[in-house]
Amino acid sequence: GNSVTQMEGPVTLSEEAFLTINCTYTATGYPSLFWYVQYPGEGLQLLLKATKADDKGSNKGFEATYRKETTSFHLEKGSVQVSDSAVYFCALYNYGQNFVFGPGTRLSVLP
Amino acid sequence: GAVVSQHPSWVICKSGTSVKIECRSLDFQATTMFWYRQFPKQSLMLMATSNEGSKATYEQGVEKDKFLINHASLTLSTLTVTSAHPEDSSFYICSARRPGVDNSPLHFGNGTRLTVT
Repeated sequence: GNSVTQMEGPVTLSEEAFLTINCTYTATGYPSLFWYVQYPGEGLQLLLKATKADDKGSNKGFEATYRKETTSFHLEKGSVQVSDSAVYFCALYNYGQNFVFGPGTRLSVLP
Repeated sequence: GAVVSQHPSWVICKSGTSVKIECRSLDFQATTMFWYRQFPKQSLMLMATSNEGSKATYEQGVEKDKFLINHASLTLSTLTVTSAHPEDSSFYICSARRPGVDNSPLHFGNGTRLTVT
């Protein structure tokens, strides 16, 4: 079946540091890939997505590239801010099936 | 802006009472909505898929008589936690996908924090 694996958190960084959160997946066919962000006490918000191999999703300085050869969709940001502190979920969707979410990675950015 | 609205954002109830949570799609009609439960510091657990005009589809291990789902219109699904107990305390989140759009993402409500005393 489909599955998503994320790096274990929590991740603690200083402001302006470079961020990478690893995500790898197992799926049949050609899933779409997503990153969601959850701020404390809130639901999930879509951060970015990619629908086919080599696509790059980007939003608010975050980027992730759909790598089919390595079945990965790592999230990166060049310079994090305190306001980026949240939990990040990698997810995949195959047509006709349910979304599958990773376990989430908690990010804390210190001033 | 938000495309899925969830209400209430938090609720405290006494053991044995029932609580209803509403989920609305704001600018599209959703024939299907999804209800998740999230335990502290954990990922989302899909509880059930709500289907407009028909019975909900429950995931394995979810008690359908405890978690009643009604999807009476194309923009509203409700989750009722019946005879709530402290172990039902959790964060419940609904979501929906915009129909007719390939690879449409899930849009989430802001969640409902349920505390059963």
